[in-house]
Amino acid sequence: KQEVTQIPAALSVPEGENLVLNCSFTDSAIYNLQWFRQDPGKGLTSLLLIQSSQREQTSGRLNASLDKSSGRSTLYIAASQPGDSATYLCAVPPPYGGATNKLIFGTGTLLAVQP
Amino acid sequence: KAGVTQTPRYLIKTRGQQVTLSCSPISGHRSVSWYQQTPGQGLQFLFEYFSETQRNKGNFPGRFSGRQFSNSRSEMNVSTLELGDSALYLCASTLQGNGGETQYFGPGTRLLVL
Repeated sequence: KQEVTQIPAALSVPEGENLVLNCSFTDSAIYNLQWFRQDPGKGLTSLLLIQSSQREQTSGRLNASLDKSSGRSTLYIAASQPGDSATYLCAVPPPYGGATNKLIFGTGTLLAVQP
Repeated sequence: KAGVTQTPRYLIKTRGQQVTLSCSPISGHRSVSWYQQTPGQGLQFLFEYFSETQRNKGNFPGRFSGRQFSNSRSEMNVSTLELGDSALYLCASTLQGNGGETQYFGPGTRLLVL
């Protein structure tokens, strides 16, 4: 059974700092991995989608990497801003393809960027 | 293009009642998935509909059901509500749902069961 874990559970940093969020999954046979952002009481916003054949994806100040063999993904946020404060979630479909929309979510990292 | 919309945004019900939630996907999207989010269990997959057919199902009791209409709009129903059903219910849509696509989420419906 695929399990997804995110460390740390919470993180507080001063504005301008570069930071790394971690996501681990137990079964490396994933089809892709997505990173999402969730603001309090709101829905999820997709940040990056990495296919299993890719090693990283970039969007603005965000960079996500994927290492299937070690079961890890990292989300790097450069020059953090107070507006980055939110919960960050990673998610993968069940292993071995098939139900690719049946996402399994991690526990999330609550990020607070202090001005 | 308009995003995923969900109605209502907030609901208060009492135990034993039933509730119906609605989700309108992004125009042209054919796959709609539903998730339940609670502080204790996090985000959990309920079911996915594609072309009016349930394609995948999570581990929830039969009190949770859904359907999809020909215009891809989807509804989920929860019967005989329990206190533990209090949660944020999110729906997400994708174009084809055949993998490799970003899922777009709606703002959610917050359900409180008293």
